[in-house]
Amino acid sequence: QKEVEQDPGPLSVPEGAIVSLNCTYSNSAFQYFMWYRQYSRKGPELLMYTYSSGNKEDGRFTAQVDKSSKYISLFIRDSQPSDSATYLCAMINAGGTSYGKLTFGQGTILTVHP
Amino acid sequence: DAGVIQSPRHEVTEMGQEVTLRCKPISGHDYLFWYRQTMMRGLELLIYFNNNVPIDDSGMPEDRFSAKMPNASFSTLKIQPSEPRDSAVYFCASRRTALGGEQFFGPGTRLTVL
Repeated sequence: QKEVEQDPGPLSVPEGAIVSLNCTYSNSAFQYFMWYRQYSRKGPELLMYTYSSGNKEDGRFTAQVDKSSKYISLFIRDSQPSDSATYLCAMINAGGTSYGKLTFGQGTILTVHP
Repeated sequence: DAGVIQSPRHEVTEMGQEVTLRCKPISGHDYLFWYRQTMMRGLELLIYFNNNVPIDDSGMPEDRFSAKMPNASFSTLKIQPSEPRDSAVYFCASRRTALGGEQFFGPGTRLTVL
């Protein structure tokens, strides 16, 4: 079983829709949670970063963390065609021999059509 | 800062040949990561370094792969001998601290082994 499981998608939504992306994890040592966005033929770029359980909002994006359920989500409101990309959840190990290790989910390909 | 620099950007080689990928991390970043990305397996961590010392190489697929970091500004990932199944995009990334903070990715090296 992988340490991080991400809903594989792909997702195709109309412009203006609300998008929900989800990941679960099994390692309790994961304490820092991130969402990266990757455009075609580019490296991943950090989109959202959070540590605590709860919600963090940045413009049209909201990251949600539930440490008790080992579940994180990213919500995109009023989605735009420019949001079309691969979204990757990522987690940093804060304990043990893998201290500082960043592990990614499989990624979800999102397409927002006009 | 120029960001994480990788070379070459594209590499086409024949099975059995040695391949060397190069990375220059962002100055002042103590952590360096090598990832491999394919459609089937997503973004996989191969190895990461802290202050030039390898911390976790459990993701290195087999003995044909080796990585070095002789100093804080340079790292190499070598494949010898290369095989067609090694074809992928290889990313180098760096981060300033162990926990939190943004991990910056290079543009990647697209490797094709014929």
